[in-house]
Amino acid sequence: GAGVSQSPRYKVAKRGQDVALRCDPISGHVSLFWYQQALGQGPEFLTYFQNEAQLDKSGLPSDRFFAERPEGSVSTLKIQRTQQEDSAVYLCASRRQGYGNTIYFGEGSWLTVV
Amino acid sequence: AQTVTQSQPEMSVQEAETVTLSCTYDTSESNYYLFWYKQPPSRQMILVIRQEAYKQQNATENRFSVNFQKAAKSFSLKISDSQLGDTAMYFCAFMKLRGSNFGNEKLTFGTGTRLTIIP
Repeated sequence: GAGVSQSPRYKVAKRGQDVALRCDPISGHVSLFWYQQALGQGPEFLTYFQNEAQLDKSGLPSDRFFAERPEGSVSTLKIQRTQQEDSAVYLCASRRQGYGNTIYFGEGSWLTVV
Repeated sequence: AQTVTQSQPEMSVQEAETVTLSCTYDTSESNYYLFWYKQPPSRQMILVIRQEAYKQQNATENRFSVNFQKAAKSFSLKISDSQLGDTAMYFCAFMKLRGSNFGNEKLTFGTGTRLTIIP
């Protein structure tokens, strides 16, 4: 597609539910990032993939968060046993090969845990 | 670790006027990029302008320009002839460069400035 596509755009989950958020990066983009943006804050890094390899997951807040990109294109961020503090916008971004290239963001998935 | 500070939570300006958004950062790195991103209500982060730290010349993109003061670790954004469509959250971001072609170049963002253009 022309841009980074994320789904669902909006998700309401009951506390304790598992959720899965999907990201379709720009075709051919090697690098893929997930960020978490709480209300009134700037985005914070969660994890990074280079093709299918997850090279950095230092930003994942707990072991309830899990991300994968099995074929090096589509990525899924899974949150198990959701808690209220997980409510945020989850932004996916991708970048083509070559350091310093522009990082393109999707419109995000807005998760509300009730 | 890098930190990015935006000390102006909100700003407003009349249409067609010029406005400057402030950003300071803290790092021990010598090679890095700085960015300004715009985030409209749709939540998509849109790149406005970027500056390579090794370049002395300030970046410009049409109505947008930066004042990059490396020694002071300051990176302000100037918007000239502001338009209603400029109304959005603006985030300053830092990215350090690694030596490899596939470095994990994650962005560190500030907390943002909400800019409103008044008709």
